[in-house]
Amino acid sequence: GAGVSQSPSNKVTEKGKDVELRCDPISGHTALYWYRQSLGQGLEFLIYFQGNSAPDKSGLPSDRFSAERTGGSVSTLTIQRTQQEDSAVYLCASSLALGTLFVEQYFGPGTRLTVT
Amino acid sequence: GDSVTQMEGPVTLSEEACLTINCTYTATGYPSLFWYVQYPGEGLQLLLKATKADDKGSNKGFEATYRKETTSFHLEKGSVQVSDSAVYFCALSFPYTGANSKLTFGKGITLSVRP
Repeated sequence: GAGVSQSPSNKVTEKGKDVELRCDPISGHTALYWYRQSLGQGLEFLIYFQGNSAPDKSGLPSDRFSAERTGGSVSTLTIQRTQQEDSAVYLCASSLALGTLFVEQYFGPGTRLTVT
Repeated sequence: GDSVTQMEGPVTLSEEACLTINCTYTATGYPSLFWYVQYPGEGLQLLLKATKADDKGSNKGFEATYRKETTSFHLEKGSVQVSDSAVYFCALSFPYTGANSKLTFGKGITLSVRP
């Protein structure tokens, strides 16, 4: 079946512009995660969605970052007034939310964001 | 807070050499441990996992044992292949704390295997 998809695959933007990154999770996966992969910081958690609500936003680095999820499916990560330090690969992952010892997260291919 | 520490890279090996990638963790509580792999041009994928002490995760010839006493989860393979060239990430999560299974990753290490 279809995996997690993300769009665009690459995005180049000028400093100060806003960008939107999209994630389509695996159908039926109620849990959705955004991570960021950058050279300096490695792979960092940004935000977690359960359905349409975000009970854990602890990883968002500043108030320029926001995310929403609609219909328990597609999620959009928005970065306002982009800065050069926002340049990174943004990864989305989804999983079933079972609250058991192990729930595998399936990752999308990522969006590479470059802020010039 | 919780953290994962991996040995510094990159690592370059000849085909059929033995591989060990060290991983240690700091966590409040009893996490599940994972190794993820990112092959060139591909997305991150789960390689193996262990959910309790002394569990051994294994897949594709790779193994890692959950050592609670040393808070470690070292990745090993007896004979690497060129196709194992990738970036390897050690990670932890607490999947039984509700449904939030956010992963905490190490910095990753790049493995290159020469023919």
